[in-house]
Amino acid sequence: DAGVTQSPTHLIKTRGQHVTLRCSPISGHKSVSWYQQVLGQGPQFIFQYYEKEERGRGNFPDRFSARQFPNYSSELNVNALLLGDSALYLCASSLEVFQPQHFGDGTRLSIL
Amino acid sequence: DAKTTQPTSMDCAEGRAANLPCNHSTISGNEYVYWYRQIHSQGPQYIIHGLKNNETNEMASLIITEDRKSSTLILPHATLRDTAVYYCIVRVASGGSNYKLTFGKGTLLTVNP
Repeated sequence: DAGVTQSPTHLIKTRGQHVTLRCSPISGHKSVSWYQQVLGQGPQFIFQYYEKEERGRGNFPDRFSARQFPNYSSELNVNALLLGDSALYLCASSLEVFQPQHFGDGTRLSIL
Repeated sequence: DAKTTQPTSMDCAEGRAANLPCNHSTISGNEYVYWYRQIHSQGPQYIIHGLKNNETNEMASLIITEDRKSSTLILPHATLRDTAVYYCIVRVASGGSNYKLTFGKGTLLTVNP
């Protein structure tokens, strides 16, 4: 079975631009979460979605937004990119919102 | 979420058991202990979780003390591919508004030949 897939794997943007990252959960999983991991640190929680509804939001500015589609895939959008947004963005899915989360290998975003 | 404390790094000889400790002295009754690992350039990999009983799966065993204030992840026969950062996380079991994972710095386990 396919795991969590994320696209693109790598992305280079410049300051002020907008970016959309995509995530396809494991088949049958209804919940998707997003995390940001900067170099040398553990992942930090951004959003959790379940059945298209936002269930939680981490301490990130309003430039970050996300949504979940009827097929349970998800997008993370970041506006007005800053140098500090350079990070590995991880998507995780779980069968139900309270069950173990399984991660993809992330999108590496570099801001120039 | 309860905070966890893990050693920064550990070494283990290939073929030997790796025992990774975690302190979570402020854990509450409805919080699970989760273990993940992250191999360089990959996403975190779920290993195991437990509430109060010891748990075992094909990857590892989880030993939780009776007072639930600490736990140990055991990799019974470590291989070079087990070299990774191991994260111990406590997370609400039920009744929460969301079920986020709060990662600390983890333990870098290096398995040596």
